[in-house]
Amino acid sequence: ETGVTQTPRHLVMGMTNKKSLKCEQHLGHNAMYWYKQSAKKPLELMFVYNFKEQTENNSVPSRFSPECPNSSHLFLHLHTLQPEDSALYLCASSQDGTNEKLFFGSGTQLSVL
Amino acid sequence: KQEVTQIPAALSVPEGENLVLNCSFTDSAIYNLQWFRQDPGKGLTSLLLIQSSQREQTSGRLNASLDKSSGRSTLYIAASQPGDSATYLCAVTRGGSQGNLIFGKGTKLSVKP
Repeated sequence: ETGVTQTPRHLVMGMTNKKSLKCEQHLGHNAMYWYKQSAKKPLELMFVYNFKEQTENNSVPSRFSPECPNSSHLFLHLHTLQPEDSALYLCASSQDGTNEKLFFGSGTQLSVL
Repeated sequence: KQEVTQIPAALSVPEGENLVLNCSFTDSAIYNLQWFRQDPGKGLTSLLLIQSSQREQTSGRLNASLDKSSGRSTLYIAASQPGDSATYLCAVTRGGSQGNLIFGKGTKLSVKP
């Protein structure tokens, strides 16, 4: 158990659906991240939150909307996704976002039909 | 633009062998380098983190080296075991770039009993 919990583990949604991914960290960290892992491509950073404030948006389309209500919880709201958005979405946390060790959750495997 | 390459893409070895995984990066201006392990359908586990001022880090049967000037890192696994079977990912971090790890595509290792 890494201390970073993601739900759901698997999600299948249609292009017109709205769904949310949830991440919770039990490590007392202050920085949280969303990464995307597509088949045959390297992991890509999507968003960074530090002390609940978004500090980085890596040119992510607006159909992905992050929310960080507190330092322990991170959401990724999804709407009108495309089939090419199907991927493993990974949440991570770190102590304070200064390039130190990251702790990852097990991910949500998303399929968009 | 920083690019991270991992060779080989896949590796199969018999149990007990010592092995080396390779990682190269195009821009030597890195803050640190991390090696991760990913099991199928799971998140990432950080194995070793090498700061840019360091040459190597060791943890149990794992040893990672860093040669920043040549843009290379190696992960040495001693006396491999079937439980080491996983995908190993290398990632570099730019200074001042919070959480923005640039990942390689990974090396998929299979250790046969």
